[in-house]
Amino acid sequence: GAGVSQSPSNKVTEKGKDVELRCDPISGHTALYWYRQSLGQGLEFLIYFQGNSAPDKSGLPSDRFSAERTGGSVSTLTIQRTQQEDSAVYLCASSLQHRLSGNTIYFGEGSWLTVV
Amino acid sequence: EDQVTQSPEALRLQEGESSSLNCSYTVSGLRGLFWYRQDPGKGPEFLFTLYSAGEEKEKERLKATLTKKESFLHITAPKPEDSATYLCAVQAGQAGTALIFGKGTTLSVSS
Repeated sequence: GAGVSQSPSNKVTEKGKDVELRCDPISGHTALYWYRQSLGQGLEFLIYFQGNSAPDKSGLPSDRFSAERTGGSVSTLTIQRTQQEDSAVYLCASSLQHRLSGNTIYFGEGSWLTVV
Repeated sequence: EDQVTQSPEALRLQEGESSSLNCSYTVSGLRGLFWYRQDPGKGPEFLFTLYSAGEEKEKERLKATLTKKESFLHITAPKPEDSATYLCAVQAGQAGTALIFGKGTTLSVSS
């Protein structure tokens, strides 16, 4: 596609339910990133994929969060047993390769998650 | 610990009133400094990448500069459509890691 595509764009879920957020990166981009942006906060790094592997999961806030990437393309971020503090915008980004020198990182529009 | 601090948090300008946004950073081994623009309800839009001290880049009314400790985003004769949150991010370390973002500066330009 022309840009990074994320779905759903908005999701309201009840506390305790599981949610899945999807990211379709720009075609040919091998690096994929997930960030979280809470109200009034900066972007918080969650996880990064190079191809299908995730060399850096250091930002995942708890074991309720997981992510996978298949076929070197689409990625899914799963949040189990959601809590109200999980409410945020979840942003996905991609770049041609992880060594960003010379490679621009592009963001999607985000998935707005509200846990009630 | 790698850190990025942006100031001011918010900036109000009149149309045509030039100003600068600041991004100061403390990182071990800077690989690149990035500026993004984010409109409400949208994802960040890439503006510039700077790699070494002394480097400058320009795009329309925006000019980004880099020193060993900070970067400035200069806005010349801003227009209302320049209103947005401007985000600064750094990539640091030998192997390269994900971008570390500041909290942003929200710019409002009134006509």
